Amino acid sequence: DIQVTQSPSSLSASVGDRVTITCRASQSIRNYLHWYQQKPGKAPNLLIYGASTLQSGVPSRFSGRGSGTDFTLTISSLQPEDFATYYCQQGYSTPKTFGQGTRVEIK
Amino acid sequence: QVQLQESGPGLVKPSQTLSLTCTVSGDSINSGSYYWSWIRQPAGKGLEWIGRSHTSGSTNYNPSLKSRVSISIDRSKNQFSLKLTSMTAADTAVYYCTREIPSGGDSVGAHWGQGTLVTVSS
Repeated sequence: DIQVTQSPSSLSASVGDRVTITCRASQSIRNYLHWYQQKPGKAPNLLIYGASTLQSGVPSRFSGRGSGTDFTLTISSLQPEDFATYYCQQGYSTPKTFGQGTRVEIK
Repeated sequence: QVQLQESGPGLVKPSQTLSLTCTVSGDSINSGSYYWSWIRQPAGKGLEWIGRSHTSGSTNYNPSLKSRVSISIDRSKNQFSLKLTSMTAADTAVYYCTREIPSGGDSVGAHWGQGTLVTVSS
C-alpha cells in the first residue's frame, strides 16, 4: 500500500491567515492526489483533485500544488467556514489511502 | 445532481455479516464510466477506503479487508451494496458510499452519501 503522511495533524489560525497543509506519499503518485474538507457530522467534500484542479463550486482561496511525492493545500485567506478537518487521498493505486487528517482550529 | 443515500442496520452483533445499500438518485447507475465505492470512518478517526465496483462490474478491495468484503451493483434498483462478514468491534464506524468520477488516469470521490453509523455490539 502507498502510505500518505499529512502534516501538521492540527493547527490554530485566525481568520485571514494563509494556511498550508502538506501531504507526502511513500512513492511517486504523479499528480493523483486529492484534497477533501470534512466538517463535524458531515461527509467529506471534494475540494481539489489531480493535485491542483479546483472542484466546481469551491472558492478560489483554495489551491493545490505538487507532483511525485510532495503536495500542498493552501488556503490563501482563512474564512470562518474553513475551520474543519482536511484530508488528502492518493489515487495512484488501490487501496486509495488517505492521510491522517489536519484539523484547522480557530486561534 | 446525483445523490447517494446509505441504508442498513445501525447495530450488528459480533461475528455477523453487515449488509449496507447505497441508493443512487438523479442519475442511472448504468450511465457513464464510474466507480461506486465504500469508505468508513471510526468515531474521531480518519478515513479508510474499503473498496469499489466499476459500472462494468469489476471490483477492487482493500487487502486489509479483502477476505471479508464484497461490493456489488443492482442495476434494476439503481443501488449498490456492501457486505462485510465476521464483524467485530473494530468495524464500528460511519460508512459512506461514494461515486468516483474519472480524473485523468484516476478517479476521485466527487459525490458522497451522508453516511450511516454502524455499531458492532452484542
